Amino acid sequence: IQMTQSPSPLSASVGDSVTITCRASQNINNFLNWYQQRPGKAPTLLVYLASTLHSGVPSRFRGSGSGTDFTLTISGLQPEDFATYYCQQTSSLPITFGPGTTVDV
Amino acid sequence: EVRLVESGGGLVRPGGSLRLSCEVSGFNFSTYSMNWVRQAPGKGLDWVSSISRSSSRIFYAESVKDRFTISRDNARKLLFLQMDNLKVEDTALYYCTGGSEYWGQGTLVTVSS
Repeated sequence: IQMTQSPSPLSASVGDSVTITCRASQNINNFLNWYQQRPGKAPTLLVYLASTLHSGVPSRFRGSGSGTDFTLTISGLQPEDFATYYCQQTSSLPITFGPGTTVDV
Repeated sequence: EVRLVESGGGLVRPGGSLRLSCEVSGFNFSTYSMNWVRQAPGKGLDWVSSISRSSSRIFYAESVKDRFTISRDNARKLLFLQMDNLKVEDTALYYCTGGSEYWGQGTLVTVSS
């Protein structure tokens, strides 16, 4: 299953609301995770099963979608949110990631 | 505190071998499927291999099948990746993950002549 993301990069400012789109090449139901990766750091899980916020993740992050089209919305960007975001499908093997969306200033 | 600490990376010639280890603490290792995910320098994330809780189910990416072997030791809370016949394109930072939620900091594998 191929995963695509848009846009990339995404230019924004502190306080903006941004939406990242992830599209699967076939139906993955809701087996979709979102990760954040800051420069030089390991990825961290933000959202699993398309819309469930992982423990400790701020409520300004919201995931939605099912089937083939998914979105990650960040409402009120904070300085620490400038990072690269990846979607990942776990519906079928091989597990695949999107190419990433870098949110920068 | 959850910790996943990878080790065993380094510089190796094409065709060579390395064995990566991941030492886990802070969560119930035996109840999690475990994975290796890699990231080539400046590139995105690439799933490598997964192993179920009891090691009964093992899966590999096509690019590493027949060259890499994943295993685990639940008693010692260790995950392994035996990498044989390494290729230049295997150069990457290799992350150990517990399910989707726990990630190590990675160990760098460089394959170069």
